[in-house]
Amino acid sequence: QSALTQPASVSGSPGQSIAISCTGTSSDVGGYNYVSWYQQHPGKAPKLMIYDVSNRPSGVSNRFSGSKSGNTASLTISGLQAEDEADYYCNSYTSSSTWVFGGGTKLTVL
Amino acid sequence: QLQMQESGPGLVKPSETLSLTCTVSGGSISSGSYYWAWIRQPPGKGLEWIGNINYSGSTYYSPSLKSRVTIAVDTSKNQFSLKLNSVTAADTAVYYCARRLGGSSLIDYWGQGTLVTVSS
Repeated sequence: QSALTQPASVSGSPGQSIAISCTGTSSDVGGYNYVSWYQQHPGKAPKLMIYDVSNRPSGVSNRFSGSKSGNTASLTISGLQAEDEADYYCNSYTSSSTWVFGGGTKLTVL
Repeated sequence: QLQMQESGPGLVKPSETLSLTCTVSGGSISSGSYYWAWIRQPPGKGLEWIGNINYSGSTYYSPSLKSRVTIAVDTSKNQFSLKLNSVTAADTAVYYCARRLGGSSLIDYWGQGTLVTVSS
């Protein structure tokens, strides 16, 4: 299985909105509503931001939202803040009963 | 509050076997609601799913690592383990243990991660 495709980097100014895409196939992203998103700051363990495409865990800001269309899932962050600067990874279930991560996206807040 | 802690050698020689243990505290590994996973991250690179196991020992492994990986659970010690054999420098990574809710993509708890370096 190949890693899901994410842009290597995205950037935005404080207060703006950005979206990070995660593209797979009909055997993973497109076939199941089992996509999650993780935020990782340097030297730290990943933190769950979105699960099952669009569900937000308690404690995660409502500025974070998720969606899916076809084989592409997206994470949207609105009202960008300095602390949102981090690496973001998507994760999807696959038809082989395994899981696959995206390559990761570095978010820079200008 | 659940806590997960990886332990094991930080240095492994090429061709040998990498062995790590994840100790779970604050909750039972015997809960049928969860899967217990290993995930790794080479220095400066992205996350890679290695595999997971449930309390009864059902396992699923990454196709790219399947021939070299074994994940096992020890409910009496509230631990699960990872063995990766025939390691090379490409296996150098921070290894995380984590908990995933069954029937969901939700990974809610992670260990702090442990760096394993493969070098002679």
